[in-house]
Amino acid sequence: DADVTQTPRNRITKTGKRIMLECSQTKGHDRMYWYRQDPGLGLRLIYYSFDVKDINKGEISDGYSVSRQAQAKFSLSLESAIPNQTALYFCATSGRYTGELFFGEGSRLTVL
Amino acid sequence: GQQLNQSPQSMFIQEGEDVSMNCTSSSIFNTWLWYKQDPGEGPVLLIALYKAGELTSNGRLTAQFGITRKDSFLNISASIPSDVGIYFCAGQYNYGQNFVFGPGTRLSVLP
Repeated sequence: DADVTQTPRNRITKTGKRIMLECSQTKGHDRMYWYRQDPGLGLRLIYYSFDVKDINKGEISDGYSVSRQAQAKFSLSLESAIPNQTALYFCATSGRYTGELFFGEGSRLTVL
Repeated sequence: GQQLNQSPQSMFIQEGEDVSMNCTSSSIFNTWLWYKQDPGEGPVLLIALYKAGELTSNGRLTAQFGITRKDSFLNISASIPSDVGIYFCAGQYNYGQNFVFGPGTRLSVLP
């Protein structure tokens, strides 16, 4: 089983709908991240959390919100999805004292 | 935001050949990470480097942390078809700071 699990893996939705992407990890890491990947643009940070009570905006947080429900769970929400939010979304985790970053398998979101 | 530079952007090689790619930055980093990503999948961590000059291997893969701390290199020896994918680098200045990513090098292996 994957150490960083994302659900759903694929989702097609319509403009204006609310969408939630969920992430859970079994690595025991304090730090969790949400990234977006678009062709030619690489990985861009949406939000990150260094512990349950800590939430920080990344470089492209507009239109997104997050919730850190527990150390192991970090969800990303699109309150009102728009077509340019069509992308591949990745959750990632890292330990407090390590420089390694581990990714989930990704959630492909299509907004029509 | 800041990005790392990777070269080449893409490469086609014959099965069995060795491959070299690099990653450069205008800023220094204290951690360099190398990942492989297959289409539609999550990046998989290949090698982590923590010290300038460090050379680390993982099977047929060898990565080096540049002495200037502004670059890193990844070599793949005796390439095989399953090496196909996108390889990208990531850098971090200090633990607790966010990671910066390169755009990737797309590797194709011809039989």
